[in-house]
Amino acid sequence: GAVVSQHPSWVICKSGTSVKIECRSLDFQATTMFWYRQFPKQSLMLMATSNEGSKATYEQGVEKDKFLINHASLTLSTLTVTSAHPEDSSFYICSARDWTLSSGANVLTFGAGSRLTVL
Amino acid sequence: SQQGEEDPQALSIQEGENATMNCSYKTSINNLQWYRQNSGRGLVHLILIRSNEREKHSGRLRVTLDTSKKSSSLLITASRAADTASYFCATDRTSGSRLTFGEGTQLTVNP
Repeated sequence: GAVVSQHPSWVICKSGTSVKIECRSLDFQATTMFWYRQFPKQSLMLMATSNEGSKATYEQGVEKDKFLINHASLTLSTLTVTSAHPEDSSFYICSARDWTLSSGANVLTFGAGSRLTVL
Repeated sequence: SQQGEEDPQALSIQEGENATMNCSYKTSINNLQWYRQNSGRGLVHLILIRSNEREKHSGRLRVTLDTSKKSSSLLITASRAADTASYFCATDRTSGSRLTFGEGTQLTVNP
């Protein structure tokens, strides 16, 4: 299967600063990537769908100006949490469709996640 | 409301026992998938079962799908302490659409 690399794995920042999280597909091209947020002991909440070369599609209730997504190449999508506040502290996970698995079915390969703590 | 509700929410068993987790969903699907998540990590795809399949095996994993009841089960046989993780089902309603994840089952396998 394909590999998705996510960086950083954890970050601590001060309130008001911006934090960028990178998601790279290492051995395949990903025209679409997905960004999730996960609270402790809860399921994944889809934040946005990142489309290479076009604007991201945000889920209802997700602030576009707060969570900036850029998908400038076929192997890299970035999520920037702007003017972070303590309530933005969470586990953020990216994923991409892995077409090498299950004969073209919609199977996702996930990054290892990024733990953001805003002080 | 979100599709893919798993039960139980938490399951604790002894090594060597079998673990069964269930997933229910609400709408028609193309396939249903199970993912595993170790604490503080991303999800890993385990197995996919298509809507026209009833049962599938992969190593110690056995997945069943009942489309009439809109439910699926994941059985892990001869569990090991290393199987301790959260397990999520995910439904794929149409080709190219996003997956919808369930709430997950936290499995603890005690040595």
